[in-house]
Amino acid sequence: GENVEQHPSTLSVQEGDSAVIKCTYSDSASNYFPWYKQELGKRPQLIIDIRSNVGEKKDQRIAVTLNKTAKHFSLHITETQPEDSAVYFCAATPEYGNKLVFGAGTILRVKS
Amino acid sequence: ETGVTQTPRHLVMGMTNKKSLKCEQHLGHNAMYWYKQSAKKPLELMFVYNFKEQTENNSVPSRFSPECPNSSHLFLHLHTLQPEDSALYLCASSQGVKPRELFFGEGSRLTVL
Repeated sequence: GENVEQHPSTLSVQEGDSAVIKCTYSDSASNYFPWYKQELGKRPQLIIDIRSNVGEKKDQRIAVTLNKTAKHFSLHITETQPEDSAVYFCAATPEYGNKLVFGAGTILRVKS
Repeated sequence: ETGVTQTPRHLVMGMTNKKSLKCEQHLGHNAMYWYKQSAKKPLELMFVYNFKEQTENNSVPSRFSPECPNSSHLFLHLHTLQPEDSALYLCASSQGVKPRELFFGEGSRLTVL
């Protein structure tokens, strides 16, 4: 089955700096890769996703890149703000199912 | 109420108790999920229901028993749990059987004494 590894487990950045979180996956059949943000005490919420037919997707300060050959994908947050502080989860699943497999999460702290 | 609601939000139970977690979605979705969230671990998929039918049981111990009476409601029946089952149990829903955005509930924080 699919296995998703996520790094780093914690990340501290200064406000205004960029943050990058990386994930690798094992199942070459996976082709849907979402990212979820979970603020303290709240539910995880989707912030961006990418499918394998594209290599990059952007939404304002957030971008995701995908390298299918290397089986890794990354989340990039530019101009970080204190409200970006949260736990971020990557996930992967094949197109033919809805069994999302999540990474262990990255605690992002943005220091002001 | 909108979105996905879970009750109770907090539950403390002994190892011999029987309790149930409830999830209700008001989004018109046809897939519902139970995930377990433990500290410093990935979100673990437990069960998936599509159109009320269970399509995934991720090797979950039988002391966890799911029930999906209709596409809007999902239960997780708990009995003879172990302390290591203490965790946040998250319910989610999505539209369709292909990968889509998951809408999570706030979770039920379970403590097993």
